[in-house]
Order: sequence, then C-alpha cells, then structure tokens
Amino acid sequence: EPEVTQTPSHQVTQMGQEVILRCVPISNHLYFYWYRQILGQKVEFLVSFYNNEISEKSEIFDDQFSVERPDGSNFTLKIRSTKLEDSAMYFCASSDRPTGDGYGYTFGSGTRLTVV
Amino acid sequence: GENVEQHPSTLSVQEGDSAVIKCTYSDSASNYFPWYKQELGKGPQLIIDIRSNVGEKKDQRIAVTLNKTAKHFSLHITETQPEDSAVYFCAAPKGGGSQGNLIFGKGTKLSVKP
Repeated sequence: EPEVTQTPSHQVTQMGQEVILRCVPISNHLYFYWYRQILGQKVEFLVSFYNNEISEKSEIFDDQFSVERPDGSNFTLKIRSTKLEDSAMYFCASSDRPTGDGYGYTFGSGTRLTVV
Repeated sequence: GENVEQHPSTLSVQEGDSAVIKCTYSDSASNYFPWYKQELGKGPQLIIDIRSNVGEKKDQRIAVTLNKTAKHFSLHITETQPEDSAVYFCAAPKGGGSQGNLIFGKGTKLSVKP
C-alpha cells in the first residue's frame, strides 16, 4: 500500500536554529498538508499546498514557517528560528482529491521535533 | 469555521464489549467525516469514513453513523480486541467544497482490557 514517508523520525535542535522536515507524499497525489501534534493533544492543521502554492494556512503557521516542493517528489516544512513551543510531532499528509469534496488523506508516521 | 467536539476523552472496555465514540460538528456544509486511529508513536491512520449522502457505513467490526440534522457522527467498534487500544480521532473538513483542511476532535483514548 502506498505510504507517505517522513524524515527524520526524530530531530533535536537548539532554540533559534533552523530545521527542515522532509516528506515524500504518495506519488500521484496533488494535495499536501502539514499538521502538528503537541504531546497528548489533538492534531492541528498548519498548512495545505496545491499547485505549487499554499492554499490555506492556520494562525499557527506564522512567518517562521515555510513550505516548499523543491522537486517532483519532496515536500518540506522549514521552521526558520525554532522556539521551545515548536516541540511537537509534525505530520505530513497527502491526497489525490480535495477534502472539501469528501475525500480524506494519508498521513506519514511523523517527525518528532524537540527544541532544547 | 468548523468546530469538532469529541466524547469521551477516555474509554475503557472489556475485551469483547462494544465501544462507542461520539463527535459533533458545527458547520452544516461539512460533507465528509473520517475516523483515524493513532497508535503510540505513529501517525493517524484512516480506519473508516462516511460521506454526507449516507447515514451509516460498516466495515467488519467498525461502523460509523451520521445524523446530519443533529450534526453528530459516531464510531462503533464491536467485539473489541486488545489491539483496538489506541487513540481515536474524529474529523470534519471546512465545508463548502474547498480544498480545506481537516479539523480534528481532541481524541478518545480507548483501552481494551483482556
């Protein structure tokens, strides 16, 4: 069964450093998402991406965050200057159709980001 | 915007019993309601979903019911097994046919005791 692949599985970084979280979505999918989950809390939407541009973003996704699809396969989330409160599990997801039309998507297994 | 409420936050059942988790949503335009299972250290995995044109959907021991009038939907697991132990999340999209994101409930930690 096709999978969304995320690397690394765990990243530890110093506060103020830049991090890049990487994702390889399912190959024929067109819609890409980043979510995060602070330990023990619900999964929260960060950003959606379609046709090489951001389609929606949440209030969490401020100027410190950016996304990119640098080639035909990777989808990255960059945090420019990490803060302690950025520590969370970050999940990438992809789908072949928009959720608003009644379709879901597939999540990766996540990257645990720890900011120290 | 959409708001999703999920109950209970924790649920403990004996193996073989049934488990029911309920969610309510606020946006009447929402048309798709997935349920995700998250095991420890893993990403959410879609286990069943329902679209707004049906009232019930079943897949072996798992079923989902939808009441559009009351704006609530429920997950039913019958003949529970220890491997059903996990956190379950309901979700709903921002309505209106957008490319919209999913809004998740706060999750239900299900424990199935052997």
